[in-house]
Amino acid sequence: GESVGLHLPTLSVQEGDNSIINCAYSNSASDYFIWYKQESGKGPQFIIDIRSNMDKRQGQRVTVLLNKTVKHLSLQIAATQPGDSAVYFCAENGIGNQFYFGTGTSLTVIP
Amino acid sequence: DTGVSQDPRHKITKRGQNVTFRCDPISEHNRLYWYRQTLGQGPEFLTYFQNEAQLEKSRLLSDRFSAERPKGSFSTLEIQRTEQGDSAMYLCASSPTGEYGYTFGSGTRLTVV
Repeated sequence: GESVGLHLPTLSVQEGDNSIINCAYSNSASDYFIWYKQESGKGPQFIIDIRSNMDKRQGQRVTVLLNKTVKHLSLQIAATQPGDSAVYFCAENGIGNQFYFGTGTSLTVIP
Repeated sequence: DTGVSQDPRHKITKRGQNVTFRCDPISEHNRLYWYRQTLGQGPEFLTYFQNEAQLEKSRLLSDRFSAERPKGSFSTLEIQRTEQGDSAMYLCASSPTGEYGYTFGSGTRLTVV
């Protein structure tokens, strides 16, 4: 399968600070990427996506940056809140309709 | 219908037994996916349906695994002769045709003892 990995397995931030979660991907042919948030006992929840013809996409308090040159994705969360504590996965589209997920980064927000 | 429903939420079974899980996707979603997630890992693709047709299957889906979506609505995933290595969270997701963004269910956690 494809290799989608995360640089840091855990990240702790103070409430109100900005968070940055990084992800490396290996398939230069991937043209669509998604960030998911997974809380304990729940399935992954779609946060934001980006296509390969874009470098940046913004949502509500979240921004995804794509650097195709070095095959790197990042998820920025502004003004991190306790409810943001979760595991975050990046996923890249693979063969057909399947996605390849990374191993996840656990974000802990310290009140 | 507010999301993808999976049943049961938890299943404990003895090695060698058969188990079946059910997934009810969002009603207007044509596409349905099964993924498996082990502890500390991201989800891994198992199989994909477009309506009732099973169009893709992963190498992870051994002969002991079978998935169906007979009427293009709900789906079942059956594991025969379960092994301890089958212990995982089994996630179902659905999406409309032409969209990549899945909506996942909360999963069925299988423990094989």
